[in-house]
Amino acid sequence: GAVVSQHPSWVICKSGTSVKIECRSLDFQATTMFWYRQFPKQSLMLMATSNEGSKATYEQGVEKDKFLINHASLTLSTLTVTSAHPEDSSFYICSATSSGRAVFSYEQYFGPGTRLTVT
Amino acid sequence: GQNIDQPTEMTATEGAIVQINCTYQTSGFNGLFWYQQHAGEAPTFLSYNVLDGLEEKGRFSSFLSRSKGYSYLLLKELQMKDSASYLCAVLDSNYQLIWGAGTKLIIKP
Repeated sequence: GAVVSQHPSWVICKSGTSVKIECRSLDFQATTMFWYRQFPKQSLMLMATSNEGSKATYEQGVEKDKFLINHASLTLSTLTVTSAHPEDSSFYICSATSSGRAVFSYEQYFGPGTRLTVT
Repeated sequence: GQNIDQPTEMTATEGAIVQINCTYQTSGFNGLFWYQQHAGEAPTFLSYNVLDGLEEKGRFSSFLSRSKGYSYLLLKELQMKDSASYLCAVLDSNYQLIWGAGTKLIIKP
């Protein structure tokens, strides 16, 4: 149980184009979803937190107009990287929490990640 | 500011025991998580400690001392598949996870 999927698992796009990444909780309702970015040999960097039906809360330094987050339902959140540039190439990981799912409500269930390469 | 420190890299031998330390300074404390992350994959949950003491789960154990701002993850009977990064993360007073940089564990035969 507590499975989170991401799609696509990897994507290559040209500079200037936009890419959408989907994150789905498959067997539970995710009250909160998180988007992380991870560069090689570095730790997870939280980009934003989103609750279903409300605007995402972005971390300092993350451009909300560049990284569009939509959390339209309790099982789906999307991250759109707009006008991607080579420096946006990274491993993007989503996670979800559900207050009714985990013994300790703040355990995050992670998706498998999406590797984005911008050429 | 908030800070979590872990060693960058450790090496151990198959079958041995290794302890990965984590020290933290955060605004409030609502628990500490350990996650395992294999290269190119997402983190997977290992343990959660909110009270002082040792939690044992099979080959893995996690210890917490809140007064010292210190935790460790103990891995016994090491297997090659344990080669991975181990991430320490603290839930702060706002219930936000603060992540350490991770410790890359290399297991040698």
